[in-house]
Amino acid sequence: SYELTQPPSVSVSPGQTARITCSGDALPKKYAYWYQQKPGQAPVLVIYEDSKRPSGIPARFSGSSSGTMATLAISGAQVEDEADYSCYSTDSSGNHRGVFGGGTRLTVL
Amino acid sequence: QVQLVQSGAEVKKPGASVKVSCKASGYTFIGSYIHWVRQAPGQGLEWMGWINPNSGGTNAAQRFQGRVTMTRDTSISTAYMDLKRLRSDDTAVYYCARDGGEVVPYPDYWGQGTLVTVSS
Repeated sequence: SYELTQPPSVSVSPGQTARITCSGDALPKKYAYWYQQKPGQAPVLVIYEDSKRPSGIPARFSGSSSGTMATLAISGAQVEDEADYSCYSTDSSGNHRGVFGGGTRLTVL
Repeated sequence: QVQLVQSGAEVKKPGASVKVSCKASGYTFIGSYIHWVRQAPGQGLEWMGWINPNSGGTNAAQRFQGRVTMTRDTSISTAYMDLKRLRSDDTAVYYCARDGGEVVPYPDYWGQGTLVTVSS
């Protein structure tokens, strides 16, 4: 079955740029989506269609995709950005079956 | 505003079934798919499938096919996820989420989650 691979953890100091990657064989042809999840809360969409930001999401969140890797960047990371981040995409079968990456714990300290 | 309100926590024995509901408001229910996603304790998100509330058509992840049934009642803007033959590793928080895609489905706005505990 199709898989998306993320690093388990990323750490940055406040004010630095955090980059979280997501790799998958179908990403050259499929969009990536990114979700932020804080403890005990439901996920929140922060990036859709590789690089678009939903309304209400701060401009420091950005996304990009090249080849088999999508990247979520948080420029000037803040302590409040500490959370789990998961990528999502669909497989290449054309059936629009979804898959999540394993998630990355971002630590800002 | 968009709201998805899910049913309360459940405790089930192995082999039983569970049915989780998701009541939508603040948008046209039949206009967007509903996704179901689960998260086991300390684990990542797992996509289970989606239902098209307009047609009733569904699309489930392969590992859940034959065990999950997704339905809807358009008269009350509510989607349901029924999982059968529960095992201990089905213990998880189950989320419904409204679809945000115009071309490719993806979860957009999420419900608050429903904890399902499977234990003898």
